[in-house]
Amino acid sequence: DSGVTQTPKHLITATGQRVTLRCSPRSGDLSVYWYQQSLDQGLQFLIQYYNGEERAKGNILERFSAQQFPDLHSELNLSSLELGDSALYFCASNMGSVNEQFFGPGTRLTVL
Amino acid sequence: GQQLNQSPQSMFIQEGEDVSMNCTSSSIFNTWLWYKQEPGEGPVLLIALYKAGELTSNGRLTAQFGITRKDSFLNISASIPSDVGIYFCAGLPGTSYGKLTFGQGTILTVHP
Repeated sequence: DSGVTQTPKHLITATGQRVTLRCSPRSGDLSVYWYQQSLDQGLQFLIQYYNGEERAKGNILERFSAQQFPDLHSELNLSSLELGDSALYFCASNMGSVNEQFFGPGTRLTVL
Repeated sequence: GQQLNQSPQSMFIQEGEDVSMNCTSSSIFNTWLWYKQEPGEGPVLLIALYKAGELTSNGRLTAQFGITRKDSFLNISASIPSDVGIYFCAGLPGTSYGKLTFGQGTILTVHP
C-alpha cells in the first residue's frame, strides 16, 4: 500500500459525459501527478500540481482539467468523453523535492 | 517527445533463473526509476537511481544507472513465481519537474 488513494476504482460512462476522478496523496506529500495508461500509449504523464499550483503539463487534452485543493487532494476532470478515453488513470505523489513517485491503485475508466 | 526503449517486451522463464532487462534513451536522464505493476494495481517503486554508474540492490533485484546516462538495467536473480508482473523503467530529465517518461514495459512470466 503506497498510501495514495484513488476513487472510484471503476467508472463506466457514456460518450459525451463528464467524470471526476479523485486522488488523495500520501500524508506529507505536496505534489500530485496524474498519468494515463492505455494499451497503445502506455503510461503517459498528464499533469502535475505542487501545493495547489500547476507545475508541469504533459500531453493533456483540452477536454481534461485538474486541480489540487487546500487539503492537497486532487481531482482530474474529464469531459466530452470519447471511446478513446477509456484507460487506467493513475495518481502519484511525492514531497516535490524528490524524484521518486508513489502511485495509487488507479481508476479504470470505461467509456461506452 | 522523449521515448524510452525497453527490452525485452516479454520474458518466459523458469523459476530459479536470472532475468535481465534494460531501457535506452536518445537523451540524457538524471534519474532512473524501476517499477513493477501487477494486474489491477498501480506501479510499485522498486529501485531509484540518481548517479551515472550507480549500482543499487533491493533484495534479489539489482539496477544500474548507465555511465552514458542514456540507459539503465534491471536484473532479478533466482526468480520466483511472485516476480510475475510488468516491469517498467522510467526516466526523469533534470529539468522536467517530475514528468516521468516510461518505457513500454517488460512482461515477466515465471513458470514454477
